[in-house]
Amino acid sequence: EAQVTQNPRYLITVTGKKLTVTCSQNMNHEYMSWYRQDPGLGLRQIYYSMNVEVTDKGDVPEGYKVSRKEKRNFPLILESPSPNQTSLYFCASSLSGYSGYTFGSGTRLTVV
Amino acid sequence: AQSVTQPDIHITVSEGASLELRCNYSYGATPYLFWYVQSPGQGLQLLLKYFSGDTLVQGIKGFEAEFKRSQSSFNLRKPSVHWSDAAEYFCAVERAGGSEKLVFGKGTKLTVNP
Repeated sequence: EAQVTQNPRYLITVTGKKLTVTCSQNMNHEYMSWYRQDPGLGLRQIYYSMNVEVTDKGDVPEGYKVSRKEKRNFPLILESPSPNQTSLYFCASSLSGYSGYTFGSGTRLTVV
Repeated sequence: AQSVTQPDIHITVSEGASLELRCNYSYGATPYLFWYVQSPGQGLQLLLKYFSGDTLVQGIKGFEAEFKRSQSSFNLRKPSVHWSDAAEYFCAVERAGGSEKLVFGKGTKLTVNP
């Protein structure tokens, strides 16, 4: 089944403890992206990647890192999480600009 | 900069009634346009998209949308709503031929009354 898989689905962590949210797609898509969803703010792009080793900042990149060492994987790294990064995170992938993104099921992160 | 406006935060309709969700975008050229649906606790699912050609596009689950260049709008419609359509709907825009940066509206939550 074609899909984007994120792990974990739920995560509670403490301020300052480094964490990684994994994202993997099995559709051989070129483009991958991370979004965060917050009530009243909708979805905002954190980072995106156009291909292996090619990444760029979205609208809200502060406090996040990404890497794209393989085509299928696009992990999101929070090196020192803070409570304002408590959010619902989505990974997505796309074959091309006009094909639309396929989204993962989301990761609900709580930083205390 | 691109922006997307969904003027209605929350809409309530009765089952069987027609539905129109509004979306306006701000961009200098014709972008790629999308509608996504998010059911509670789920990720986003692509309903339909427009990038060129016929301005009335058909999507999944009986939805359609019409692109109106003169109004910078891409409204989503469904002739007869089912209870299972209750969800949040997001309009999104992407610069044509560009950066894969998808900009979302803030969403419209749809409630369906029996």
